[in-house]
Amino acid sequence: GAGVSQSPSNKVTEKGKDVELRCDPISGHTALYWYRQSLGQGLEFLIYFQGNSAPDKSGLPSDRFSAERTGGSVSTLTIQRTQQEDSAVYLCASSLDPNSEAFFGQGTRLTVV
Amino acid sequence: AQSVTQPDIHITVSEGASLELRCNYSYGATPYLFWYVQSPGQGLQLLLKYFSGDTLVQGIKGFEAEFKRSQSSFNLRKPSVHWSDAAEYFCAVGAGSGYSTLTFGKGTMLLVSP
Repeated sequence: GAGVSQSPSNKVTEKGKDVELRCDPISGHTALYWYRQSLGQGLEFLIYFQGNSAPDKSGLPSDRFSAERTGGSVSTLTIQRTQQEDSAVYLCASSLDPNSEAFFGQGTRLTVV
Repeated sequence: AQSVTQPDIHITVSEGASLELRCNYSYGATPYLFWYVQSPGQGLQLLLKYFSGDTLVQGIKGFEAEFKRSQSSFNLRKPSVHWSDAAEYFCAVGAGSGYSTLTFGKGTMLLVSP
């Protein structure tokens, strides 16, 4: 596609449920990033994938959060046992390589009720 | 760990007036610095970046920023603001390679008055 695509655009889930957020990066982009944007914390780095290297998971806030990137393309961010504080917009970005411009998707707005 | 401070939460500027948005960073080595803009309902768009070289960088939409190492600052400027510039602006510092692991400031909301 023309840009980074994220789905769903909105997700409402009950506390304690698991959710999966999907990111389709721009074709050919080797680097993929997940960020979280919330009112209280602003924009926070979550995880970074580069090619076949082990991902940088240093931003994941707890072990309830995990992400994978299959075949070097699509990525899924999974949040287990969601809590109300997980409510935020989850942004995905991709770039040709780490030194090239990162393009952001529109985000997935997650609401935990 | 790196950090970014944007001291102004909101700024109101008259259309046609000049603009300066402040950004201060904390990072031990030479940083990668970025300014992004986010319009309502839109994703983040890169305005400009500093990796190395000339400390005055030009970006899209008529924006520029100057890296001042002595002041740990990377302020964003525009000589004449347009109503369409109303948006939220984020400064970010990269500690890893290029765009990886960015740390963002809290953002500055720019309002443009007629």
